[in-house]
Amino acid sequence: NAGVMQNPRHLVRRRGQEARLRCSPMKGHSHVYWYRQLPEEGLKFMVYLQKENIIDESGMPKERFSAEFPKEGPSILRIQQVVRGDSAAYFCASSPLNRGQGSNQPQHFGDGTRLSIL
Amino acid sequence: GQQVMQIPQYQHVQEGEDFTTYCNSSTTLSNIQWYKQRPGGHPVFLIQLVKSGEVKKQKRLTFQFGEAKKNSSLHITATQTTDVGTYFCAGQDQAGTALIFGKGTTLSVSS
Repeated sequence: NAGVMQNPRHLVRRRGQEARLRCSPMKGHSHVYWYRQLPEEGLKFMVYLQKENIIDESGMPKERFSAEFPKEGPSILRIQQVVRGDSAAYFCASSPLNRGQGSNQPQHFGDGTRLSIL
Repeated sequence: GQQVMQIPQYQHVQEGEDFTTYCNSSTTLSNIQWYKQRPGGHPVFLIQLVKSGEVKKQKRLTFQFGEAKKNSSLHITATQTTDVGTYFCAGQDQAGTALIFGKGTTLSVSS
């Protein structure tokens, strides 16, 4: 299956611990997006990355959250010193190279990581 | 900032009835995409609309993009139980790179 792979599927952390969420994009895709989804809510954009570059992080909280997409390996969303309010489903999506603002590429989503904070 | 609103939030129909969800943006969009998310699943891309006034059909699903490129709708004819899920619209404005998602419309269908 060459789809977007996210792991782990479920992650439980205690308050104050760190959470690391991983995302491997679809083969041939160079763009990665991270979204957060709360129950009964839509997807909230967090960050958009290309290899070794953060393109748009306007949706990322200023503190405790960081994201990277290294030259080799998966994209990582890192949450430091987690709090109860970080409990959510975190989805990663990938797309091939954008053709420009007039025609955005469809995004292919992974199965998500359900993060629970005790 | 850009906002995308969807109504209704929930809709319950009897199998065979029609269903429509509406999407409105606070800014003019360069394009709009529609996604479906089944309970416990992940969003799956359905379609993208780019042109003003565009209408696209996929079997029983009809998608429209408004003339002003600020609103869109998804209409399902003769719903089936397999149509259950949450339907999201997502728009990109003229200047941004991020897709802004609406909160979705959750459809339930009883047979």
